[in-house]
Amino acid sequence: DIQMTQSPSSLSASVGDRVTITCRASQGISNYLAWFQQKPGKAPKSLIYAASSLQSGVPSKFSGSGSGTDFTLTISSLQPEDFATYYCQQYNSYPPSFGQGTKLEIK
Amino acid sequence: EVQLVQSGAEVKKPGESLKISCKGSGYSFTSYWIAWVRQMPGKGLEWMGVIYPGGSDTRYSPSFQGQVTISADKSISTAYLQWSSLKASDTAMYYCARSISGAGRVDYWGQGTLVTVSS
Repeated sequence: DIQMTQSPSSLSASVGDRVTITCRASQGISNYLAWFQQKPGKAPKSLIYAASSLQSGVPSKFSGSGSGTDFTLTISSLQPEDFATYYCQQYNSYPPSFGQGTKLEIK
Repeated sequence: EVQLVQSGAEVKKPGESLKISCKGSGYSFTSYWIAWVRQMPGKGLEWMGVIYPGGSDTRYSPSFQGQVTISADKSISTAYLQWSSLKASDTAMYYCARSISGAGRVDYWGQGTLVTVSS
């Protein structure tokens, strides 16, 4: 199975900041990488697929990049509603696997 | 509007059986896969398996193969996740999600079903 490692595991930032979360795959996955946002007590929400394509309805403040083994999720101009846990997921090979999550907290 | 509506929370005893459901609407149910994802308390997301209601092709993650059964009834646009003998370690939130392909890209999620197994 492919292991996905996110860094950092937690991150403190202020409203208005720009933050970047990194996701590394244990082997190359081309661009078969998705990002999800999960707020406490809620279901995950799909943000990005194919490493850099926004899901319908997701604001452009979210952006993704990368290919192969190294990927990033960048969130610009943080707002209170952006503080949540973010997960990456590879779907290059079965079974799909998720990173351990990055908890984004208000500083 | 695409919606996945899951059945309500369950409290069961170890050894009991359980079947939870996920009803899709707002799209062609037989044209997409339905995945099941587990989230244990305070933990991350784990892929359990996926089914194609249009043909009943089913794929399990090795970690869940033999532990659960995934099925679907396309006549009522509903997918299921079932256990024959629950364990305390099955206590978790279970999400269904619509998958673009059997490989794992998902777009829409259900609201989740909390399963609590306790004696």
